[in-house]
This record gives sequence, structure tokens and C-alpha cells, in this order.
Amino acid sequence: KAGVTQTPRYLIKTRGQQVTLSCSPISGHRSVSWYQQTPGQGLQFLFEYFSETQRNKGNFPGRFSGRQFSNSRSEMNVSTLELGDSALYLCASSLIVVTSTDTQYFGPGTRLTVL
Amino acid sequence: DAKTTQPPSMDCAEGRAANLPCNHSTISGNEYVYWYRQIHSQGPQYIIHGLKNNETNEMASLIITEDRKSSTLILPHATLRDTAVYYCIVRLTGNYQLIWGAGTKLIIKP
Repeated sequence: KAGVTQTPRYLIKTRGQQVTLSCSPISGHRSVSWYQQTPGQGLQFLFEYFSETQRNKGNFPGRFSGRQFSNSRSEMNVSTLELGDSALYLCASSLIVVTSTDTQYFGPGTRLTVL
Repeated sequence: DAKTTQPPSMDCAEGRAANLPCNHSTISGNEYVYWYRQIHSQGPQYIIHGLKNNETNEMASLIITEDRKSSTLILPHATLRDTAVYYCIVRLTGNYQLIWGAGTKLIIKP
């Protein structure tokens, strides 16, 4: 079974631009979560989608948004990029995440650099 | 905030068992302990999880103390490829989110 895939793997943007990142979960998984990882803040939860609905949201500004499609694929969008948005963006999928034992599996991440 | 405390770094000789400690003194009764590892700039890799019984899989063993306030991840025969940052995470009940701490950087030395 193929793992979580994320595209693109690397991205360079300039301040003020917007960016869209894509995540394809493991086949059969219906929940997708997004995380931001920076050297200073570590791994921080952005949001989680299940059945095309945002179910949980972390403490990030409204410039960060996401959506999920009917095939469970998910995208996240960052508008008006700032230098501080440079990070590794990670996507994780799980079956349904309604129990404590539903494991999240991570993709390789998208490395975003904002110049 | 993370509910776990881990040493920032550890060394282990190749071929020996690596024992990674984790303190989670405020863990609640229904909260699971999860371990992930992250090899440089890759996505975190799931290792193992447990509630109160010891657990073992093909990668590692997880030993949880009877009072559940601490746990130890054991890699039985460490190899150079086990060099990574290891995260001990208490999974919240309610929204089931994983709250990540700083982890332990484990360096396996030949």
C-alpha cells in the first residue's frame, strides 16, 4: 500500500505570494492533518479534515487554510506569505481519528522557503 | 503545551540496546503514549504506542510504568540508521491531537 504523498517536495516563493500544497493520504484513510515544522517552534498542528469538513484547527492566522476533496485528498493554502512561513509542512493521514489508537502516518513533507 | 519531558540528546553504541526515557507525569487515564521518530528533514515515522501495558512490535518495545507517569522506548539492537530525533507524545482525548515536544536526538555511534 502506497504511503502518504505530498507535492511539491520543495518550493521557493517570495513574500506576499500565495502557495498551495497538496497531500494524498494512504488509500482508505479519510482523515488528513497538517502540521508546520520550524527549528524554533517544532511541530505545530495546523488543522485536520475528515469527510471534507475541518474538524479541528490549531492556533494559526487565517492566512492558513485548507480543504479536503471527496477522494480524501487535501490541499492547504497560505496567502500573503511572510518570511516566517518558511518551514517543512507535513501531512498525516489516518483512518478516521475518532479513537486514541487510530495512528497517524506522515508524508515526506513539503519544504517551503519564502524569500 | 507538550505533556512530555525528554532528554535533549543521547548516544548509544551500535549493536547495543537504546533506551529512551520519557516523563509524562500529568497523563490522564485515557491518554495514550505514542512514539515517533524523525530522520533528518523527513516526515515523522510511527514507532509504537501504548496505554498501560508493555507493547512490542518489530521496531521497538515500549515499557510504561505502573503509575503511567513515565515510559521507556527500547530499540533492542541499535544501528546507524536509527540515528534520529525521537518524540514521545501523549495523545489528547477529545480531539485526539498529538502535541509534540522537542524530542530526544539519538545518535548511534559505530
